[in-house]
Amino acid sequence: NAGVTQTPKFQVLKTGQSMTLQCAQDMNHNSMYWYRQDPGMGLRLIYYSASEGTTDKGEVPNGYNVSRLNKREFSLRLESAAPSQTSVYFCASRGTGQKAFFGQGTRLTVV
Amino acid sequence: KNEVEQSPQNLTAQEGEFITINCSYSVGISALHWLQQHPGGGIVSLFMLSSGKKKHGRLIATINIQEKHSSLHITASHPRDSAVYICAVTKSQGNLIFGKGTKLSVKP
Repeated sequence: NAGVTQTPKFQVLKTGQSMTLQCAQDMNHNSMYWYRQDPGMGLRLIYYSASEGTTDKGEVPNGYNVSRLNKREFSLRLESAAPSQTSVYFCASRGTGQKAFFGQGTRLTVV
Repeated sequence: KNEVEQSPQNLTAQEGEFITINCSYSVGISALHWLQQHPGGGIVSLFMLSSGKKKHGRLIATINIQEKHSSLHITASHPRDSAVYICAVTKSQGNLIFGKGTKLSVKP
């Protein structure tokens, strides 16, 4: 099993550019999450999806959109990147009452 | 005040030492998680527990629900244990709330 596959691993964007981070899981989990990790702070929830077809805002949703395309895939889109969105992004998935599985992370730099 | 607090923030130990990392939380939870993040960034779930104690190899996790406190112990520490250890809690809606992590460095 691949677990949680997240792409790309690294990305550099210019301010104002857009991009989509892709995430897919093969564990038939209902819940999927997008987090960002910044120095000195814990992981913070951007958006989550409790099931296919539903999405909800987390702690820091501004500047982001998400799409739960199907049960496997949960993408994160930056429509107009800003330097404040420079961060490491993690996708995660979790089955009901189970531990979480994380993607390898995307290191995004916005210049 | 953060809902999940970890201590210490940084910890340096000599190989072979017994290590304890603490986590306190201030909200009602359905479960508590201990995660490990190695340099290079990948995050791995070590334990998920809602009561008592769990053990895997040299790692032991305990939780006291009444005290809202959990500890992660590493016995006979080794340089390969060097990583950031993260405590997280699951609230009723299923989202994880993370502590800021404890950076552990084990010297040979």
